[in-house]
Amino acid sequence: DAGITQSPRHKVTETGTPVTLRCHQTENHRYMYWYRQDPGHGLRLIHYSYGVKDTDKGEVSDGYSVSRSKTEDFLLTLESATSSQTSVYFCAISQGRDNAEAFFGQGTRLTVV
Amino acid sequence: SQQGEEDPQALSIQEGENATMNCSYKTSINNLQWYRQNSGRGLVHLILIRSNEREKHSGRLRVTLDTSKKSSSLLITASRAADTASYFCAIHDGGAQKLVFGQGTRLTINP
Repeated sequence: DAGITQSPRHKVTETGTPVTLRCHQTENHRYMYWYRQDPGHGLRLIHYSYGVKDTDKGEVSDGYSVSRSKTEDFLLTLESATSSQTSVYFCAISQGRDNAEAFFGQGTRLTVV
Repeated sequence: SQQGEEDPQALSIQEGENATMNCSYKTSINNLQWYRQNSGRGLVHLILIRSNEREKHSGRLRVTLDTSKKSSSLLITASRAADTASYFCAIHDGGAQKLVFGQGTRLTINP
């Protein structure tokens, strides 16, 4: 299995609080992605990174920010959590270009109450 | 909006039958990928087909790509109970290196 770890695996938080999810890889892959998965919506891209300090928005980036200060870590922050951000969050990594296969973490189940 | 639109949303067949899932997209692509997700787990890559390829095989999987119609299909032959899962297509745009997923097809194989 690709070396990709998400933490925490489960979290319950209150509306209005900031939350940070961490994705850690040991594969030295250049590209990292954050998705959310909700019933009826499949996976939706939140943000992605194409290198250290290089990030861009996905389809559903409002209310989320990301940072990548090291190749191995990609952080997703919910600046002020809302109930609509209750979801399962997946991180993925890829070498990109001709090796575009993505490897996924096990997911983080976030509940905002 | 998502680039990949999958059809059908759910499919239920008998073990041993073939399963076909379709994916349509809207823009140009570098490649198209198919993934499987077992309940509650992360996605697992199945197969990748490049924009200049028309068909690709991997074991019991057959993927076709028609760039003129902006569509792809995934065929699973001789289905097994273990194939029960959700299947997603993903569009890789090549330029921005985005990987955008469809809503998925929920496949159930009945014994």
